Amino acid sequence: DIVMTQSPDSLAVSLGERATINCKSSQSVLYSSNNKNYLAWYQQKLGQPPKLLIYWASTRESGVPDRFSGSGSGTDFTLTISSLQAEDVAVYYCQQYYSTPFTFGPGTKVDIK
Amino acid sequence: EVQLVESGGGLVQPGGSLRLSCAASGFTFSSYWMHWVRQAPGKGLMWVSRIRTDGSSTTYADSVKGRFTISRDNAKNTLYLQMNSLRAEDTALYYCARDNNWSTFDYWGQGTLVTVSS
Repeated sequence: DIVMTQSPDSLAVSLGERATINCKSSQSVLYSSNNKNYLAWYQQKLGQPPKLLIYWASTRESGVPDRFSGSGSGTDFTLTISSLQAEDVAVYYCQQYYSTPFTFGPGTKVDIK
Repeated sequence: EVQLVESGGGLVQPGGSLRLSCAASGFTFSSYWMHWVRQAPGKGLMWVSRIRTDGSSTTYADSVKGRFTISRDNAKNTLYLQMNSLRAEDTALYYCARDNNWSTFDYWGQGTLVTVSS
């Protein structure tokens, strides 16, 4: 199984400041035949189901604000919130869909400082 | 509007069974792979199972293989999860989720809570 890790476990950022979350996979999730990284990011607000933010490591889902961006390749990935808003308080998860079982990172909690 | 509504959760004793349902609407259900994902109280997300559009292919997490069965009825736009030999560690909120054609989950239900306890 591909093990996903995230850092930090939690972070507190001032409104309008940048938040950066890291995700690492235990093996590459880059599929060489199509040069795509099988890595997604989800946001889960308290009491709600997760919401897909980004797939293919850097493609924003329709309707997701452009302050959310994803980067990285192979085994190391980053989710950046360029200017934190109050509504961004949530837990963020990365997920690999390179192979089954599909696995999630443990989550990173983002709060307002 | 895409909607996924889970039902069937509840309190069950260890070793017991439950059948979860997920009623889908607002999209062509038969065209999408579907998944179950669970979340233990206060914990992270764990993928449980997936099923192909026509039900001909299924995949499971090792921890539920042989105990859980995913199925679907495309005529009723409904996804199912039959859970047998339940254990305390199966206690979780169970979500159904739509596959956006490359195994990420673009729509989720609100979940149904399964509690396994004596």
